[in-house]
Amino acid sequence: QVQLQESGPGLVKPSETLSLTCTVSGGSISSYFWTWIRQPPGKGLEWIGHVNYSGSTNYKPSLQSRVTMSVDMSNTQFSLNLSSVTAADTAVYFCARGFLGVRGWSFDLWGRGHLITVSS
Amino acid sequence: DIQMTQSPSSLSVSVGDRVTITCRASQSISTYLNWYQQIPGKAPKLLIYGASSLHTGVPSRFSGSGSGTEFTLAISSLQPEDFATYYCQQGYKTPITFGQGTRLDIK
Repeated sequence: QVQLQESGPGLVKPSETLSLTCTVSGGSISSYFWTWIRQPPGKGLEWIGHVNYSGSTNYKPSLQSRVTMSVDMSNTQFSLNLSSVTAADTAVYFCARGFLGVRGWSFDLWGRGHLITVSS
Repeated sequence: DIQMTQSPSSLSVSVGDRVTITCRASQSISTYLNWYQQIPGKAPKLLIYGASSLHTGVPSRFSGSGSGTEFTLAISSLQPEDFATYYCQQGYKTPITFGQGTRLDIK
């Protein structure tokens, strides 16, 4: 079955760029909206944005100036770059499969999550 | 952005109890409302979409209702594996937003 797996560094220095990749295995990356969601320690879920198979993106407005997402069809991967990070960006980052249907947006498949700590 | 507010924030319950969690949206979202379950250290899992439709494989003790701005998640008879945090999420428009979560603790 389709699985998602995040990969990337666990520690990023303040002011640097956080980079994560999500590998989609067992299925195609065509269709769907490939999504990043984060969760600060002990807190709730925050949608960061998504990218679709054609590279079209939609970002949370408050993060838009720092976020870039892209898709690599040949390797069935999609990625997140978040620039100028601060301690407030410390979180578990989830990749997820987003679906837009007649009942709106939902996320039916998630990666296990990847903790990123921003610290010098 | 559409604000999602859940109540209560936490609940102490026992196995076998019936549980009800409420989610309110800051504007009407029709039935574009989803519920997720998150066990500590794990990724969220989709339980209910479209306010009342059970996702594949979700036990029938879970049910959802509501429309407009007020929604409810009910668990008819709580099982040990149901102790988790539950989140609502509006799927009406981007930016997509989640409620702050409701944690179920063992009484």
